[in-house]
Amino acid sequence: AQSVTQPDIHITVSEGASLELRCNYSYGATPYLFWYVQSPGQGLQLLLKYFSGDTLVQGIKGFEAEFKRSQSSFNLRKPSVHWSDAAEYFCAVVSGNTGKLIFGQGTTLQVKP
Amino acid sequence: DAGVIQSPRHEVTEMGQEVTLRCKPISGHDYLFWYRQTMMRGLELLIYFNNNVPIDDSGMPEDRFSAKMPNASFSTLKIQPSEPRDSAVYFCASSFNTGEQFFGPGTRLTVL
Repeated sequence: AQSVTQPDIHITVSEGASLELRCNYSYGATPYLFWYVQSPGQGLQLLLKYFSGDTLVQGIKGFEAEFKRSQSSFNLRKPSVHWSDAAEYFCAVVSGNTGKLIFGQGTTLQVKP
Repeated sequence: DAGVIQSPRHEVTEMGQEVTLRCKPISGHDYLFWYRQTMMRGLELLIYFNNNVPIDDSGMPEDRFSAKMPNASFSTLKIQPSEPRDSAVYFCASSFNTGEQFFGPGTRLTVL
């Protein structure tokens, strides 16, 4: 069965520092992968997605993610974090041809001034 | 496009009352999903529809929960009777084919 693991429940970084949020998936075929962000009291917003092609994908708000098939990973990165990036981040994979998203547990990002 | 629209944004009700949550998906999208988010259980998929037909309702917690999609532009999630443990944020999302899902702002439900 497909699954997504986000090993870090909570991460704190200083403003201006680089960020990497980890995501590992379990899926037999080529996965469709997503990163969503949820600010407090808000719905989920798509940051970026990977369907095929270039394994380094660019998203909104200066985020990028790299698909590594050998490591079954799709880690999210940002070179310099802003205070407004404090939020919860979810990695997800589409389950087969169903259209269902399998979400990770989420990583809460705290940004120190 | 206005995005996925949910109403109400907040609902406070008393235990035993019927609650109806509403969702308008993005025009042209053929998939609609209902999720529930709580601190304890995170984000859970309750049910999803494809072309207005329920495909998988295995996430619906109990018979007290029901969902309908009478047409391509409207869906409801009903809880009858409601219980305090149903308190959560309920999200609706839609997608075209099996692509990215677009989420609504959610309905925060509090059952007293």
